[in-house]
Amino acid sequence: DQQVKQNSPSLSVQEGRISILNCDYTNSMFDYFLWYKKYPAEGPTFLISISSIKDKNEDGRFTVFLNKSAKHLSLHIVPSQPGDSAVYFCAATGDSSYKLIFGSGTRLLVRP
Amino acid sequence: EPEVTQTPSHQVTQMGQEVILRCVPISNHLYFYWYRQILGQKVEFLVSFYNNEISEKSEIFDDQFSVERPDGSNFTLKIRSTKLEDSAMYFCASSALSRGTSYEQYFGPGTRLTVT
Repeated sequence: DQQVKQNSPSLSVQEGRISILNCDYTNSMFDYFLWYKKYPAEGPTFLISISSIKDKNEDGRFTVFLNKSAKHLSLHIVPSQPGDSAVYFCAATGDSSYKLIFGSGTRLLVRP
Repeated sequence: EPEVTQTPSHQVTQMGQEVILRCVPISNHLYFYWYRQILGQKVEFLVSFYNNEISEKSEIFDDQFSVERPDGSNFTLKIRSTKLEDSAMYFCASSALSRGTSYEQYFGPGTRLTVT
């Protein structure tokens, strides 16, 4: 099931710089998208979400952008901090379902 | 801040044994879910539960699996006869309201199930 794809398994950025994590989806019926952060041995922690009626949503250092025509979303973290180092999952829901379909995750390392 | 809790954190069982994984969702939430993550793989949906019944289940959630809300606070996942391939992290999640208001699901810390 490749409905939600995160093609970059890892990303390394310098502290203070911008981190951009990308996600693509194939199901045009998805209408809500979420980003989760996960530390080892913990559950996914909700970060930020966006409805398909919007193209941007901002919450502090985190901004999610949605490009529906390209079926692409991205998470921007500015400025990046070492504590942001974790695995980031994008997830999508819709198509008359409540279940979340997850991507495979991107491991972010923020170097001090 | 309210959170989803899960017990036990780690469960080791022998193949063919029954296991029950327990979860306490956030208290005012109405929708409950189980997901699992096999090592090195994606987080996969298993089942959703609303108003004391299953609202949706995946093809993974076969007759060996069942869910229950035995009281007003607990939500359980039972695997009747465990197989080696059931070894995974199992996450419980809950969400507040119906579709159209809040889709965010909040996850517990997980139970690591090891089947030997």
